Amino acid sequence: EAGVAQSPRYKIIEKRQSVAFWCNPISGHATLYWYQQILGQGPKLLIQFQNNGVVDDSQLPKDRFSAERLKGVDSTLKIQPAKLEDSAVYLCASSPQTPTTAGNTIYFGEGSWLTVV
Amino acid sequence: RKEVEQDPGPFNVPEGATVAFNCTYSNSASQSFFWYRQDCRKEPKLLMSVYSSGNEDGRFTAQLNRASQYISLLIRDSKLSDSATYLCVVTAYSGAGSYQLTFGKGTKLSVIP
Repeated sequence: EAGVAQSPRYKIIEKRQSVAFWCNPISGHATLYWYQQILGQGPKLLIQFQNNGVVDDSQLPKDRFSAERLKGVDSTLKIQPAKLEDSAVYLCASSPQTPTTAGNTIYFGEGSWLTVV
Repeated sequence: RKEVEQDPGPFNVPEGATVAFNCTYSNSASQSFFWYRQDCRKEPKLLMSVYSSGNEDGRFTAQLNRASQYISLLIRDSKLSDSATYLCVVTAYSGAGSYQLTFGKGTKLSVIP
């Protein structure tokens, strides 16, 4: 079974530039997550989709971050304009069919490493 | 108080040692509990779920105390390959039929030859 695919793996941009990350979840997984992991910290949820609807985006900095999941499959996360503190790994994850029960685990992609200079 | 707190690391232990990690959570409505393992520059991967009755998987034992809102992970006979960061994860209902996973900061383990 194919895992969660993410691209690009690495990106270096200057502050105030924009960047976009793409994620393709495991086939059939209804729930998709974007996490931000800053070096030395645990992953922090940015946004959670159930099919193509947003379930939780309370920690997404909406003035600069946006995400969409068209057709309930692939997702993109955009940052515009980037700040130095956005340097982090952006992890996409997915989990199986709705409803997502408490016992279900989630599967992560390898992450997109962003450095803002 | 942070939602999920873990022992500060790093833990440097010799091969063969037993090491224990602790984790506390603040949301008493939390439903499920997990330990994830994250290797350097890799994504987190599920190590094991944690149940109230306690559960064991080879050299790994996980315990949950709901009354104290406390989770533990015990690793016996440490191997070099156990070197990683161990993340405590707690889930709670977030509405619309979904559950949100909250991660601790992680505890770094280095097993030394």
